[in-house]
Amino acid sequence: GAVVSQHPSWVICKSGTSVKIECRSLDFQATTMFWYRQFPKQSLMLMATSNEGSKATYEQGVEKDKFLINHASLTLSTLTVTSAHPEDSSFYICSAQPLAGTYNEQFFGPGTRLTVL
Amino acid sequence: DAKTTQPPSMDCAEGRAANLPCNHSTISGNEYVYWYRQIHSQGPQYIIHGLKNNETNEMASLIITEDRKSSTLILPHATLRDTAVYYCIVRADYNQGGKLIFGQGTELSVKP
Repeated sequence: GAVVSQHPSWVICKSGTSVKIECRSLDFQATTMFWYRQFPKQSLMLMATSNEGSKATYEQGVEKDKFLINHASLTLSTLTVTSAHPEDSSFYICSAQPLAGTYNEQFFGPGTRLTVL
Repeated sequence: DAKTTQPPSMDCAEGRAANLPCNHSTISGNEYVYWYRQIHSQGPQYIIHGLKNNETNEMASLIITEDRKSSTLILPHATLRDTAVYYCIVRADYNQGGKLIFGQGTELSVKP
């Protein structure tokens, strides 16, 4: 099966610092990756769609200057939470859509738990 | 993408079949029905998807009504490890740019 990894799996940082989260497709190439955020007891909320080599498309209400997304290769996308604050504490999950003609489904990473003190 | 409606929670006895319903009355002709599940504090796991025919794989069966306005995910022999939140999602084929938009899902509790 297709595997997606995330690094780190958890991170604790001080308010005002920036945190980078990596999402990698390990055994397939993905032109499109997606970033989600999940608060406790809530469903996943799509934040942005990331296409390799182009700017990310953000969902309504998501601050693009705060959540910087880079998709530099067919196997790696990064999410940087800039100037993090306690309200940014959440579970961040990425998913990857394999190239057309392979799988129809998206595959999800295990998630990164961010705690901002 | 069409919206889905699922019961917020369900219980199932271990070893019995778990039947999880989903309503998607506004589904379009080019939209697929996808099912994912999320075990606590993990990323969602793909289960199965279909367009209009019933589908079966090693994890589950998907039954889609003829009018495609509802579907049922069947876990034939539920185990304790199947306890999770199950999400029914409709989206257009990926080649048409379909995103996965998660609703609230059904929290399935499998009890011994």
